[in-house]
Amino acid sequence: DTGVSQDPRHKITKRGQNVTFRCDPISEHNRLYWYRQTLGQGPEFLTYFQNEAQLEKSRLLSDRFSAERPKGSFSTLEIQRTEQGDSAMYLCASSFLTSGSGTGELFFGEGSRLTVL
Amino acid sequence: AQKITQTQPGMFVQEKEAVTLDCTYDTSDPSYGLFWYKQPSSGEMIFLIYQGSYDQQNATEGRYSLNFQKARKSANLVISASQLGDSAMYFCAMREYDYKLSFGAGTTVTVRA
Repeated sequence: DTGVSQDPRHKITKRGQNVTFRCDPISEHNRLYWYRQTLGQGPEFLTYFQNEAQLEKSRLLSDRFSAERPKGSFSTLEIQRTEQGDSAMYLCASSFLTSGSGTGELFFGEGSRLTVL
Repeated sequence: AQKITQTQPGMFVQEKEAVTLDCTYDTSDPSYGLFWYKQPSSGEMIFLIYQGSYDQQNATEGRYSLNFQKARKSANLVISASQLGDSAMYFCAMREYDYKLSFGAGTTVTVRA
């Protein structure tokens, strides 16, 4: 399977604990995005990378959130000192862009569902 | 301000009938793209159809067509000949200059046999 993969698919944690999610994009894709989706809502943009550079972080991304994409391959999203309000689906997506052209279609993973007790 | 507005939280449609999902958008960027994604209960986001702002014709992909009215800033999705497997959440999204997508709140479609 050469799609976007995310791990773990489900995570249950206690408030105050740290969690880390991993995303492996489609191999030739240079852009990687993180979104958060709460029940019954649309995905909300968190951050994105072009290769290894983090180009933008949403104001939704508090200081407790950090994302990395070392070597421009896989990415991790870490949430420190989790709160109940962090409970959501965390979606990773990737795309390939050259010189600002292309449709910009995002290919999504199946998501990592976080439940904070 | 909301960039994408989907005003129908939920819709019911009879099998084999057509359904139209509304989407309006707001941008000052002359070059943008509009997408529709389907999200079944399993959670994965499935790309359905794309319309570029400079495209002269409405996009079509199989049973999906996009009714693009640029002056009204609307990009409605039409699903023809609905099937039970079409029951899902549908999201309209817009890509602007920075190539990230902004999503609407979604519309839940339930197809009745």
